Amino acid sequence: DTGVSQNPRHKITKRGQNVTFRCDPISEHNRLYWYRQTLGQGPEFLTYFQNEAQLEKSRLLSDRFSAERPKGSFSTLEIQRTEQGDSAMYLCASSFGGVAGEQYFGPGTRLTVT
Amino acid sequence: QKEVEQDPGPLSVPEGAIVSLNCTYSNSAFQYFMWYRQYSRKGPELLMYTYSSGNKEDGRFTAQVDKSSKYISLFIRDSQPSDSATYLCAMSARTGFQKLVFGTGTRLLVSP
Repeated sequence: DTGVSQNPRHKITKRGQNVTFRCDPISEHNRLYWYRQTLGQGPEFLTYFQNEAQLEKSRLLSDRFSAERPKGSFSTLEIQRTEQGDSAMYLCASSFGGVAGEQYFGPGTRLTVT
Repeated sequence: QKEVEQDPGPLSVPEGAIVSLNCTYSNSAFQYFMWYRQYSRKGPELLMYTYSSGNKEDGRFTAQVDKSSKYISLFIRDSQPSDSATYLCAMSARTGFQKLVFGTGTRLLVSP
């Protein structure tokens, strides 16, 4: 499978715990995005990487959230001191550079904070 | 007011019907328009991608953009039960890096 992959697919954690999600983009894509989707809503942009550089962050990304993309390959999204409001589907997408840049999404990681 | 408005549905149609899905938007800077299909508990799947105004056709799917009215549409011909999913419109103002702004999605149900 050459699409975007995300792990884990599901994560249940207790409030206050830290969680980390991983995204592996399509291999030739140099751009990587994180979005968050809650029930009944469309995805909301969180942050964007071009290669290893994090170029833009949404104000939705509080200081409890941190994302990295070492070596411009896979990316991790960490949430510290989780809150119930963090429960959502976390989606990763990747795109190839250039004018078009269609974004292809992974299957998502569903986070439940109890 | 949201930048992108989309009727959440559900929209119920019989198999074989022509389906029309729509979004309106308020940001006149949007120039790239996309439609994604999302099955329950899955990631969005890119269906159509259009730039600026006009029509684009791909098999049973036709995307239309009317920038003067800030209105985009997706038509599905000969709808099938397998088309039952949530359809998300998304748009972006910039080339290259594209922060996508999504609608809430319309849930489509196609009955056999």
